[in-house]
Amino acid sequence: QSVLTQSPSASGTPGQRVTISCSGSSSNIGSYYVHWYQELPGTAPKLLIYRHNQRPSGVPDRFSGSKSGTSASLAISGLRSEDEADYYCAAWDDSLSGWVFGGGTKLTVL
Amino acid sequence: QVQLVQSGAEVKKPGASVKVSCKASGYTFTNYGISWVRQAPGQGLEWMGWISAYNDNTNYAQKLQGRVTMTSDTSTSTAYMELRSLRSDDTAMYYCARDPSPHSGSYWDYWGQGTLVTVSS
Repeated sequence: QSVLTQSPSASGTPGQRVTISCSGSSSNIGSYYVHWYQELPGTAPKLLIYRHNQRPSGVPDRFSGSKSGTSASLAISGLRSEDEADYYCAAWDDSLSGWVFGGGTKLTVL
Repeated sequence: QVQLVQSGAEVKKPGASVKVSCKASGYTFTNYGISWVRQAPGQGLEWMGWISAYNDNTNYAQKLQGRVTMTSDTSTSTAYMELRSLRSDDTAMYYCARDPSPHSGSYWDYWGQGTLVTVSS
C-alpha cells in the first residue's frame, strides 16, 4: 500500500489530453513539493516534472504539473504513442521522515 | 554529459550482503547528493535512502534502518549502497539517482541504469 494514491491505469487516444492524479495528505503533498517520474518499458525512471510544475530541459511542454491542497496532477496534452509508460509521483513525508511514491499509473495510448 | 554507471547484476543467498556501486561522471560529484531507489519485479518505486557527496550525511528509509549503509568515495566519484541480511523480498532492480541538493533531499534528475539483485537459495 503506497502512501501516495494513484489510479493504477489511464488511457487515451493520440492527440487527446489525459490527467493522472496523485493524492496524499498534509504530511506529504500538503506541505512539500511533488515531483513526477516517467518510466518507459525496460528503462530507468526519468524526471518529468519537479517542484509541482517545473519541467527539466528536454521535456516537452505537452507535460505539465499542478498541485492543489493535498493532491497533485500530471497532465499530458497531444498524447503520443511514445508517452505509453508508467508514471510515478513522489514527495517528502514528515511522518516517515523519508520520500514516498505513488503506486504508479500505467498509461496506455490506444 | 552526466552519467551514473552502476555495477553489474548480483545473485545472493538469503542472509548475505550486497554492495552496489554507482560511478558518477560529467559533473562535480561533491556538489550533489545521491539517492537509492529500488523496484521489485512488477512493483512500484521505493526510496531507500540518500547520501550527501558533500559531507557524507545520510538519511535512510525507516524500513531499512539497520540493514542499509550508504557511502561515497570522492576520489573516484563513486557512491555505494550496501544491504545486509538479504531476504527474498529484497530481490529488485536497484537504482542510484543524482539529487541536486548536497544538503538535503530534493528530486532526482539523473538515474543510473539499474542493478538487478536477486536473492535466492
